Amino acid sequence: GESVGLHLPTLSVQEGDNSIINCAYSNSASDYFIWYKQESGKGPQFIIDIRSNMDKRQGQRVTVLLNKTVKHLSLQIAATQPGDSAVYFCAESMDTGRRALTFGSGTRLQVQP
Amino acid sequence: ETGVTQTPRHLVMGMTNKKSLKCEQHLGHNAMYWYKQSAKKPLELMFVYSLEERVENNSVPSRFSPECPNSSHLFLHLHTLQPEDSALYLCASSQAGADEQYFGPGTRLTVT
Repeated sequence: GESVGLHLPTLSVQEGDNSIINCAYSNSASDYFIWYKQESGKGPQFIIDIRSNMDKRQGQRVTVLLNKTVKHLSLQIAATQPGDSAVYFCAESMDTGRRALTFGSGTRLQVQP
Repeated sequence: ETGVTQTPRHLVMGMTNKKSLKCEQHLGHNAMYWYKQSAKKPLELMFVYSLEERVENNSVPSRFSPECPNSSHLFLHLHTLQPEDSALYLCASSQAGADEQYFGPGTRLTVT
């Protein structure tokens, strides 16, 4: 399931450190944002989402921050673990009567033991 | 089985073959999606079915033909594909109008 061939930006962190993965989105009318994690050989897995009426949302070990002014989204992972190694995608959508997600190209997170 | 399942997980086919990919969701959702994930592009939405009606077709070539017989099943029929169609084909489901989509593991397709 990895995007082999794409020149994905790669973030390399030490186990136990915090990770921050960034995403710039394109549509100022987007009102919903979601982060997915994709491990090798698997489909994307939901991590956390946020609506445009919020600027921060926390989950278990993860936090998503939304800055609508500069159209920027970030995913923070606390105490990164080897199992967090994967490609992370952000996606955006807007309410046009039906929902369709537009995905970014992804960031590869490598966790060093 | 739980979640979204896809079969086969791997498929190799010649350009003159006809094959079908199958997706099944066990989440009670009523919208289903086909995405293509290739080596050189981000995830691309191909088709959307909502309440068993095709509501979106993102300029996909006619050699790809989707079918949604009911809200739990989605097929992608393939014929006379090209080598550039080699990719990971992902199925997803959601509640119609909802945002969060749940993905299957994908079918790795290789066209020779």
